[in-house]
Amino acid sequence: EAQVTQNPRYLITVTGKKLTVTCSQNMNHEYMSWYRQDPGLGLRQIYYSMNVEVTDKGDVPEGYKVSRKEKRNFPLILESPSPNQTSLYFCASSLGDRGVIGRDTQYFGPGTRLTVL
Amino acid sequence: GESVGLHLPTLSVQEGDNSIINCAYSNSASDYFIWYKQESGKGPQFIIDIRSNMDKRQGQRVTVLLNKTVKHLSLQIAATQPGDSAVYFCAEAGGSYIPTFGRGTSLIVHP
Repeated sequence: EAQVTQNPRYLITVTGKKLTVTCSQNMNHEYMSWYRQDPGLGLRQIYYSMNVEVTDKGDVPEGYKVSRKEKRNFPLILESPSPNQTSLYFCASSLGDRGVIGRDTQYFGPGTRLTVL
Repeated sequence: GESVGLHLPTLSVQEGDNSIINCAYSNSASDYFIWYKQESGKGPQFIIDIRSNMDKRQGQRVTVLLNKTVKHLSLQIAATQPGDSAVYFCAEAGGSYIPTFGRGTSLIVHP
């Protein structure tokens, strides 16, 4: 089954304790991205990656890091989490054919609910 | 389930009715638009997309209309079913890989 998986699904941590949220896709997609979703603000892109070893900042990259060492994996790293990073996080992937009908569909993972105390 | 937004605009319809969900965008340079559906506790799910050189595009039970003059996008769902209950939001992209997402509209379908 074609899918994007994220782990963990729920995480409660404390300020300053480094954490990693993993994301993996089995569709051989080149494009992957991370979003956060907050009430009243909608989805905002954190980082995206066009391909292996190619990453770029999205709208809200501060406090986050990513890496793309393999095509299927795109982990999100919070080196020193803070309470304002409490949010619902989504990973997504697509073929990456920018704006091409039917070939720019983003497939989203199930989400990771992060609480930073 | 997860709450994806507070005080979202809400559209309530009866099962079998047609639903129309609207979205206004601000960037005149946006040339690609997507509608997503998000059910409680799940990630967004692609519904349909449209490019700026189109006015209308149809899928299975869904139609997207684009009015570039007034920067307005709408999603029409025919014969709405209880399973269509979800938050629907549009996204626009204008030359970059950073899409802008709307806050969403909550669709409630009454049996």
